[in-house]
Amino acid sequence: KAGVTQTPRYLIKTRGQQVTLSCSPISGHRSVSWYQQTPGQGLQFLFEYFSETQRNKGNFPGRFSGRQFSNSRSEMNVSTLELGDSALYLCASSPTGKEGYEQYFGPGTRLTVT
Amino acid sequence: AQSVAQPEDQVNVAEGNPLTVKCTYSVSGNPYLFWYVQYPNRGLQFLLKYITGDNLVKGSYGFEAEFNKSQTSFHLKKPSALVSDSALYFCAVRATDSGGYNKLIFGAGTRLAVHP
Repeated sequence: KAGVTQTPRYLIKTRGQQVTLSCSPISGHRSVSWYQQTPGQGLQFLFEYFSETQRNKGNFPGRFSGRQFSNSRSEMNVSTLELGDSALYLCASSPTGKEGYEQYFGPGTRLTVT
Repeated sequence: AQSVAQPEDQVNVAEGNPLTVKCTYSVSGNPYLFWYVQYPNRGLQFLLKYITGDNLVKGSYGFEAEFNKSQTSFHLKKPSALVSDSALYFCAVRATDSGGYNKLIFGAGTRLAVHP
C-alpha cells in the first residue's frame, strides 16, 4: 500500500501571502489529521477531519483552515502568512480515527515564510 | 492539564548496549500511548502503542516499551542498540478532550545517538 503523500514537499512564501498544502491519505483511511512541527513549539495538533467533517481543532488562529474531500484527500490553508508560520507541516491518516488506531504520517511539507 | 514529558534532550548509547528513552505523561483516565521515530527530512514513523493489556508492549525494529501506571511512565527500550537507530524519538498520548478521536499530544522529543 502506498503511504501518506504530501505535496508540495518544499515551499517558500512571502509574509502576507496565503498557501495551500495537500495530503493524500493511505487508501481506505478516512481520518486525516494535521500537525505543525517547529523547533520552538515542537509538534502541535492543528485539526482532524473525518468524512469531510472537522472533528477536532487545535489552538491555532483562524488563519489556519482545512477541508477534506469525498475521496478523503485533505488540504490545509494558511492565509496572511507570518514569519512564525515557517514550519514542517505533517499530515497523518488512520482508518477511522477512533481510539486504538495509530496514525501514519506523511513526509511533511516544509514551509518557509520570508 | 494534559502533557507528555521527555526529560532527556539527548541520549547517547554505544552500539550493542541496551537503550532507554524516557517518557512520562499526565492525562486523566486510561491513557492511549504511542512512540514515533523521525529520521532527518522524514515524517514520523510509528513504532508501538499501548492501549490496554500487557504492560510490556513490543513494536517494530526490536523496540519495546513498558507502561507503568503508578509512575505514569511509558519508557521506550531496546536490548541492543544499532547505529541506524540514531534518530529523534517522540512519545505521544491521545488527548482526553478529543472526543475519542485522533488528537495526539507529543513530547518535545529525545535525540538518540548510537555510537559505533
